[in-house]
Amino acid sequence: AQKITQTQPGMFVQEKEAVTLDCTYDTSDQSYGLFWYKQPSSGEMIFLIYQGSYDEQNATEGRYSLNFQKARKSANLVISASQLGDSAMYFCAMRERGNYQLIWGAGTKLIIKP
Amino acid sequence: NAGVTQTPKFQVLKTGQSMTLQCAQDMNHNSMYWYRQDPGMGLRLIYYSASEGTTDKGEVPNGYNVSRLNKREFSLRLESAAPSQTSVYFCASSVNRAGDSPLHFGNGTRLTVT
Repeated sequence: AQKITQTQPGMFVQEKEAVTLDCTYDTSDQSYGLFWYKQPSSGEMIFLIYQGSYDEQNATEGRYSLNFQKARKSANLVISASQLGDSAMYFCAMRERGNYQLIWGAGTKLIIKP
Repeated sequence: NAGVTQTPKFQVLKTGQSMTLQCAQDMNHNSMYWYRQDPGMGLRLIYYSASEGTTDKGEVPNGYNVSRLNKREFSLRLESAAPSQTSVYFCASSVNRAGDSPLHFGNGTRLTVT
């Protein structure tokens, strides 16, 4: 069963606009972690942000924030004031408690237009 | 601080040849991983090492072997390469297996098997 769903295969956004990348997940565990990674065209995987299931506040890291809605099982990534360098693939991932495996979504390709 | 270093960056093999992908991390992480990334299939875990001296199979271990040489190094070996192993290979490390421990990735190895 697919546990991480990223419904947007691709997105175009105007530079300086905010962008929301969707991620929904499925788990019966109460304890889990959610991660977002960025993969530019150069190929490296860059860790962006983490949200724990018990965290009461939404995670923020600079221009990145995570809109965590536990009841809806969604963990959307919000990028404020987008820049051309934000153009990349973005992956959502989840790790359940006690499980070494990260479960990955299929990714969203974000293109920022000047 | 180099983080996770993978070598080589590119490799072309003929069917049946063998090779070893090297990975080293300098972050004093306990856990290390090998993933492959194929178009449209996201990241799939090949093997992982929760701590020095242990290795375990991931989702797609067939055709691969690993060695956790010490805390820093985790190598992936293809004994008899097949065209189906054409992929981009990523090594990653994390502090431990805990849910809040993000993976830090190397830059990847692009392998082509002809």
